[in-house]
Amino acid sequence: GENVEQHPSTLSVQEGDSAVIKCTYSDSASNYFPWYKQELGKGPQLIIDIRSNVGEKKDQRIAVTLNKTAKHFSLHITETQPEDSAVYFCAASRQGGSEKLVFGKGTKLTVNP
Amino acid sequence: GAVVSQHPSRVICKSGTSVKIECRSLDFQATTMFWYRQFPKQSLMLMATSNEGSKATYEQGVEKDKFLINHASLTLSTLTVTSAHPEDSSFYICSVSLGGEQYFGPGTRLTVT
Repeated sequence: GENVEQHPSTLSVQEGDSAVIKCTYSDSASNYFPWYKQELGKGPQLIIDIRSNVGEKKDQRIAVTLNKTAKHFSLHITETQPEDSAVYFCAASRQGGSEKLVFGKGTKLTVNP
Repeated sequence: GAVVSQHPSRVICKSGTSVKIECRSLDFQATTMFWYRQFPKQSLMLMATSNEGSKATYEQGVEKDKFLINHASLTLSTLTVTSAHPEDSSFYICSVSLGGEQYFGPGTRLTVT
């Protein structure tokens, strides 16, 4: 089955700096890669996703890149703000959101003011 | 706005009792819902896929007789934890697929004393 590895487990940056979180996956049939932000005591919130027919996607300060050959994808957050502090999870799926997601272990991001 | 709601948000029950958690899709019909479990400081693990009008599909290692899932309508799935024990204490989160993406509910914190 699919295995998703995520690094780093913790990341601390200064406000205004960029943050990068990386994930690798094992199943070459996976074609959908969402990223979720989870604040303490809340459910995960979808922040951006990418499908295998696209190499990069951007939404304001957030971007995701996908390298299908190497089976890895990354989340990039620019101009970080204290409210970006949360746990971020990457995930992979074979059929978009209609099938189960396999999650990475999460990255706790702390943005210091 | 919110896509999925869960009820209750928190529940405390005594060991040996059963507790029911509801997951509702808001303003749309969901033929498939997913139930995840998240232990403290850990990632989300899929427990089962709930299909409207048919039996749920459980992940390996998840006891179907202990975690009863009923997807009685296109907007409601319920998870019943039967004969709960302290080790069942966890954060239970449901999700639904909409437009090729997966959206999560706010979660239910279950504490078994």
